[in-house]
Amino acid sequence: DTEVTQTPKHLVMGMTNKKSLKCEQHMGHRAMYWYKQKAKKPPELMFVYSYEKLSINESVPSRFSPECPNSSLLNLHLHALQPEDSALYLCASSQPGLPQYNEQFFGPGTRLTVL
Amino acid sequence: SQQGEEDPQALSIQEGENATMNCSYKTSINNLQWYRQNSGRGLVHLILIRSNEREKHSGRLRVTLDTSKKSSSLLITASRAADTASYFCATARYGQNFVFGPGTRLSVLP
Repeated sequence: DTEVTQTPKHLVMGMTNKKSLKCEQHMGHRAMYWYKQKAKKPPELMFVYSYEKLSINESVPSRFSPECPNSSLLNLHLHALQPEDSALYLCASSQPGLPQYNEQFFGPGTRLTVL
Repeated sequence: SQQGEEDPQALSIQEGENATMNCSYKTSINNLQWYRQNSGRGLVHLILIRSNEREKHSGRLRVTLDTSKKSSSLLITASRAADTASYFCATARYGQNFVFGPGTRLSVLP
């Protein structure tokens, strides 16, 4: 199984809502990533988990809270988001190590709209 | 900034033609990767080329790396309509951010 799954595919939320994005992989990868991608822009790295521990946080606002409950799952908890946070949120996984050393497998993304 | 810069930003070609995209970066790197993204979907890894390699092939893809010029190129030969996508290079240097370039949007017309 070389698939990374993400749920939901689409999410619309208000600025006062709390929601979560979920990501799952069963490739035995021990590194997982969250990226944010605005329209017609490249993905921007947000967080990296290595062996279920947060190893990179690219100065992301605290309204985004990642969680890695086990080696197959990655969550992104969202709270008090702003309209400018509307974007495609991509999850990826790879063998452990820094992202530049490894092929990353991406999920299809969650399209988030904040009203 | 470590960010790679792709050139051109957009490219339209006919099926069967070759497509060449370039990526330039500013500081020395460990590796350089190329990814493809179909519209609004996840990225697919194409090739990783290490800083001590000059050329790699994978099927119809050929990637070159010139560390003296801080540039890489991706050549897609005998293009197909299914190659229509955005292509990103991604680089990093040890201790620095892993960053995608702005991408080249390739359209292959039937």
